[in-house]
Amino acid sequence: DIQMTQSPSSLSASVGDRVTITCRTSQSISSYLNWYQQKPGKAPKLLIYVASSLESGVPSRFSGSGSGTDFTLTISSLQPEDFATYYCQQSYSIPRTFGQGTKVEIK
Amino acid sequence: EEQLVESGGGLVQPGGSLRLSCAASGFTFSTYWMHWVRQAPGKGLVWVSRIKSDGSSISYADSVKGRFTISRDNAKNTLYVQMNSLRAEDTAVYYCAAEKYYYDSSGYLVSAFDIWGQGTMVTVSS
Repeated sequence: DIQMTQSPSSLSASVGDRVTITCRTSQSISSYLNWYQQKPGKAPKLLIYVASSLESGVPSRFSGSGSGTDFTLTISSLQPEDFATYYCQQSYSIPRTFGQGTKVEIK
Repeated sequence: EEQLVESGGGLVQPGGSLRLSCAASGFTFSTYWMHWVRQAPGKGLVWVSRIKSDGSSISYADSVKGRFTISRDNAKNTLYVQMNSLRAEDTAVYYCAAEKYYYDSSGYLVSAFDIWGQGTMVTVSS
């Protein structure tokens, strides 16, 4: 199974800050990496697919980069509605695996 | 509107059984690979099982293999999971998710879970 390691596990930031979350995989997965946002009591929502493609309707302040084993999700200017938990997920192989999540909290 | 609605969750005793359903609407269900993903209280997302669009290919996480059975009825636009021999560690919110396939800039087929249900809670406790 492909192991996914996100960092940090949590962070505190202010509105307007630039936020970066990293995801490292235990083996190369090319660009088969997706990012999701989850708010409390809600289902996850797809933000970024194939490492850097923005899902339709997702604000352009979200961006993704990386390939191989190292990936990054960046929020260029944090907005109040962005406080949530973010997960990376690989679609390279079965079992599909997720990172442990990064909780973005208000500073 | 593309929608998935889960049902069938509840409280069950250890060793018991439960069947979850996931009703799809607003998209062509029969063309999507479908998955179950679960989330224990306060924990992260864990993949459980997958079924191909026509039901001909199925995969399970090791933790549920031999106890859970995924199935689908494309005529009814519904996904199922039969959960037997339930354990306390199966306690979680269960989400169904539709996996959409895309072609990336290099022409490779890639995928992501682009439609999720709202989840149904399963509690295994005596």
